[in-house]
Amino acid sequence: GAVVSQHPSRVICKSGTSVKIECRSLDFQATTMFWYRQFPKKSLMLMATSNEGSKATYEQGVEKDKFLINHASLTLSTLTVTSAHPEDSSFYICSARGAGVGNTIYFGEGSWLTVV
Amino acid sequence: DAKTTQPPSMDCAEGRAANLPCNHSTISGNEYVYWYRQIHSQGPQYIIHGLKNNETNEMASLIITEDRKSSTLILPHATLRDTAVYYCIVRVTGSARQLTFGSGTQLTVLP
Repeated sequence: GAVVSQHPSRVICKSGTSVKIECRSLDFQATTMFWYRQFPKKSLMLMATSNEGSKATYEQGVEKDKFLINHASLTLSTLTVTSAHPEDSSFYICSARGAGVGNTIYFGEGSWLTVV
Repeated sequence: DAKTTQPPSMDCAEGRAANLPCNHSTISGNEYVYWYRQIHSQGPQYIIHGLKNNETNEMASLIITEDRKSSTLILPHATLRDTAVYYCIVRVTGSARQLTFGSGTQLTVLP
């Protein structure tokens, strides 16, 4: 199947700092990318949907000024957690959908964020 | 997208077939059944999808009932590495909408 890569896989940052997570589609062009958040033993919760070249659409309750999403190209989307707090510690997962892969959605490996 | 119902957990002996059921009684005619799995601390992995015909690939088989109200994912020879949470999701293919995850089935393959 198609490959979606996230970086970094694990990151630790201090409270109040910002951290960026990258999501890349390696072998297809992703017209739409999705960002999810997952707490331990819970299911994935959608945070936002981003389409290349346009502003992201955020789910209710997700602060768009705190979780900045950029989808500047068909192969790259970034999630920046600004002014991170310990409660932002979580598993962040991106997924990507491209017309060239039968519209199936593929997921990245996930990024563990720990805010200390 | 239609809602799905899955058992919260199942066990399977290593080397045996694992049959994971999913109910989607409100599925629409243009909605496909997708299966993903998530191994601990990893992103979900696509397994298979289908509309109404049975499908098979190198990972699994998908059996969809004639009325499309339920389906079964079959892992023919389960291994310990198949231990994961399995998610059944119905979605209109080609849709720009996201995948909505339920709670899934925790499959534990026992040695």
